[in-house]
Amino acid sequence: DTAVSQTPKYLVTQMGNDKSIKCEQNLGHDTMYWYKQDSKKFLKIMFSYNNKELIINETVPNRFSPKSPDKAHLNLHINSLELGDSAVYFCASSQADRGDRREQYFGPGTRLTVT
Amino acid sequence: RKEVEQDPGPFNVPEGATVAFNCTYSNSASQSFFWYRQDCRKEPKLLMSVYSSGNEDGRFTAQLNRASQYISLLIRDSKLSDSATYLCVVTTSGGYNKLIFGAGTRLAVHP
Repeated sequence: DTAVSQTPKYLVTQMGNDKSIKCEQNLGHDTMYWYKQDSKKFLKIMFSYNNKELIINETVPNRFSPKSPDKAHLNLHINSLELGDSAVYFCASSQADRGDRREQYFGPGTRLTVT
Repeated sequence: RKEVEQDPGPFNVPEGATVAFNCTYSNSASQSFFWYRQDCRKEPKLLMSVYSSGNEDGRFTAQLNRASQYISLLIRDSKLSDSATYLCVVTTSGGYNKLIFGAGTRLAVHP
């Protein structure tokens, strides 16, 4: 059983389009995250939700809008896609109150290519 | 200055070698420390947490020096399957579990 799943795995689209990526976790965690890994492989957090509440919102363009309908789902909608949005987007989840360890489990990633 | 800095490598080592990776972090208030492993075109996975007293998990040993803001990972008896990128990760102080990743150190183990 997949712990953290993302759809789609690959997404190729043109500049200016709007697209969504979906994430689901079946680990019972209460916190979910979106990360972006760019062409230089640098992994950077974008957003985090705890129990459907936005708790981390890094400096990300307004074109990116996360939505968490429930604890197990966190979606990412991107408006007016730009070439620079091409990257791998990873969803992750963790249990926020598990003390110091707080391991995050990552989904397989969505490889977005904007042409 | 980057919050977490690592030597990008690549480190090319033969099977059976011992290899060490280093990492420095800039925020002295960082609370938790980890090494994650990322295989090519895969997601990152936790390799081990790093504790102040140092800790070992099989062939892997992690050390933390808070005074120098320095973290290390030692891999003994390298296997071909150890080939991957090793990500040094720290969490910010206070609040929620925000992971700050280093850019990673690439390891290639050859026969």
